Amino acid sequence: EAEVAQSPRYKITEKSQAVAFWCDPISGHATLYWYRQILGQGPELLVQFQDESVVDDSQLPKDRFSAERLKGVDSTLKIQPAELGDSAMYLCASSFNRVAYEQYFGPGTRLTVT
Amino acid sequence: AQSVAQPEDQVNVAEGNPLTVKCTYSVSGNPYLFWYVQYPNRGLQFLLKYITGDNLVKGSYGFEAEFNKSQTSFHLKKPSALVSDSALYFCAVSDSGGYQKVTFGTGTKLQVIP
Repeated sequence: EAEVAQSPRYKITEKSQAVAFWCDPISGHATLYWYRQILGQGPELLVQFQDESVVDDSQLPKDRFSAERLKGVDSTLKIQPAELGDSAMYLCASSFNRVAYEQYFGPGTRLTVT
Repeated sequence: AQSVAQPEDQVNVAEGNPLTVKCTYSVSGNPYLFWYVQYPNRGLQFLLKYITGDNLVKGSYGFEAEFNKSQTSFHLKKPSALVSDSALYFCAVSDSGGYQKVTFGTGTKLQVIP
């Protein structure tokens, strides 16, 4: 069964350092999502791609976060500089398309900023 | 703005008893509704969705959900709970028009007691 891949699974970084997360969606899925999930809360959408285009990044802190999906396949989410409040689980998901299709989630990257 | 409410942080049910996890929503147009489950140390998994048609939707692992437009609810149900159903359950909604951005609820922890 096809899965969404994410790496790394765990990342510990110091405040003010740069950090990057990678996601490889299920083959053929046009829509890719990055979420942030704080323990005990629901996923919060950071950015949504349709193919290589950003369709929603309204909740992305653009002064420090950036995301790209250059060839419309895999994607990278970057934080620079990291802050203590960025400690969370970062989830990547993909769906066949963005209209009425369910999302398939990767295992996530747990980020700890010290 | 669209929103999802899961009024119970935790639901406890005895094994073999029926279970209900509640969800209410608010969207400006017709809703697309989803339920996801998150087992410990694992990513979110899709359970079921309502797009259109029959108000009773059947999904994975014996779960079902009933769409009630007048009450703006989409409660998750199962006739007989298993200990293995213990997990965190998330309701999600998107508007059928516009961006179809998905908004997740805060989650309900289901504890099935042997």
